[in-house]
Amino acid sequence: QQQVKQSPQSLIVQKGGISIINCAYENTAFDYFPWYQQFPGKGPALLIAIRPDVSEKKEGRFTISFNKSAKQFSLHIMDSQPGDSATYFCAASFTDKLIFGTGTRLQVFP
Amino acid sequence: NAGVTQTPKFQVLKTGQSMTLQCAQDMNHNSMYWYRQDPGMGLRLIYYSASEGTTDKGEVPNGYNVSRLNKREFSLRLESAAPSQTSVYFCASSSQGLKQPQHFGDGTRLSIL
Repeated sequence: QQQVKQSPQSLIVQKGGISIINCAYENTAFDYFPWYQQFPGKGPALLIAIRPDVSEKKEGRFTISFNKSAKQFSLHIMDSQPGDSATYFCAASFTDKLIFGTGTRLQVFP
Repeated sequence: NAGVTQTPKFQVLKTGQSMTLQCAQDMNHNSMYWYRQDPGMGLRLIYYSASEGTTDKGEVPNGYNVSRLNKREFSLRLESAAPSQTSVYFCASSSQGLKQPQHFGDGTRLSIL
């Protein structure tokens, strides 16, 4: 019940397209859902986060959509750019737990 | 601004050897964490320190020990390294707790032969 399932494992998108990464969870106690971006050889960096009292949060080209009843949340990257090529991790937290998904490697081609 | 600094960046050990991974942050954060990252498994929390003077086990603590030396520094020790501990280790810090943005270091790549 503490897993966070992330899909797809890898994603190839053309420049200007929309990248969509999905995550699902079981434990309804999770109450904080961040997304992290990681470039090769670097540590992850927080991209955007959402709490379950809102259904959507947008920051620039990045949007989190949250469906509490389905226990799913997703990251949408609009107008994807080659500089967005990285690995993306969703995560879910409650009390003293932060559980990460297994990651999605995004490649954006010009 | 250095942020979170980890040393060393790379290390090769033989089975049974011991070593300590060092981590320091200069953001005056209260909470610090150690994760390991393995292919296809995301990041898993090994130990964390919610505040200076406290440490707690995470998801995968077996084979590791930690020390919160002061507010800035949080070290991870492998007493008797095993090949299963080959991984990339990340230290992170946050102002207070897991629901605040975590700032990660660039990792230590550890191979155990």
